[in-house]
Amino acid sequence: RKEVEQDPGPFNVPEGATVAFNCTYSNSASQSFFWYRQDCRKEPKLLMSVYSSGNEDGRFTAQLNRASQYISLLIRDSKLSDSATYLCVVIATWTEFYFGSGTKLNVKP
Amino acid sequence: SQTIHQWPATLVQPVGSPLSLECTVEGTSNPNLYWYRQAAGRGLQLLFYSVGIGQISSEVPQNLSASRPQDRQFILSSKKLLLSDSGFYLCAWSVRSGTNSPLHFGNGTRLTVT
Repeated sequence: RKEVEQDPGPFNVPEGATVAFNCTYSNSASQSFFWYRQDCRKEPKLLMSVYSSGNEDGRFTAQLNRASQYISLLIRDSKLSDSATYLCVVIATWTEFYFGSGTKLNVKP
Repeated sequence: SQTIHQWPATLVQPVGSPLSLECTVEGTSNPNLYWYRQAAGRGLQLLFYSVGIGQISSEVPQNLSASRPQDRQFILSSKKLLLSDSGFYLCAWSVRSGTNSPLHFGNGTRLTVT
């Protein structure tokens, strides 16, 4: 079983739509959680941390459900520029970073 | 602010040739350093990580090696490249203390072995 699993997509949505991605993790002792964005042929860039209480950054909302062991990313009012691959990252210890394989999002005009 | 530099950006090398990729971090001390590889259309694979000068941990057996000659310098090397070494190589750093620090990636090196 993979440490972190994501639906690879692609998610094809029109501009202005709301889209959500989930990411499940297997290690119940995982301590930190993040979402990254990766554009084609570029490095992953930190999008946001994920806190137990949930957190929001503009159109982006991240949530953590420890009981069910998943994190989610919600994007509201999708823009063309949101098209990218979104990676979830789960940290068990500072030497154990587990990356999901990414969910591809295509926002269409 | 902290920055991470990685070079070269692209590299085309023949099979059997050596490899040296370099990564340096500025604006922080005692970082954890990492080398990842991403094959085309695939996820990130951790190759090496380092918690200090001269301290290297390898995650997968292969013909690559890493060294950390200085606190903020991390080098990925190979004596003889294989076709399967082609990929996107990413250096990253994180704050050493605790588990709440995310990874910060360099711009990556796209290696094509021909």
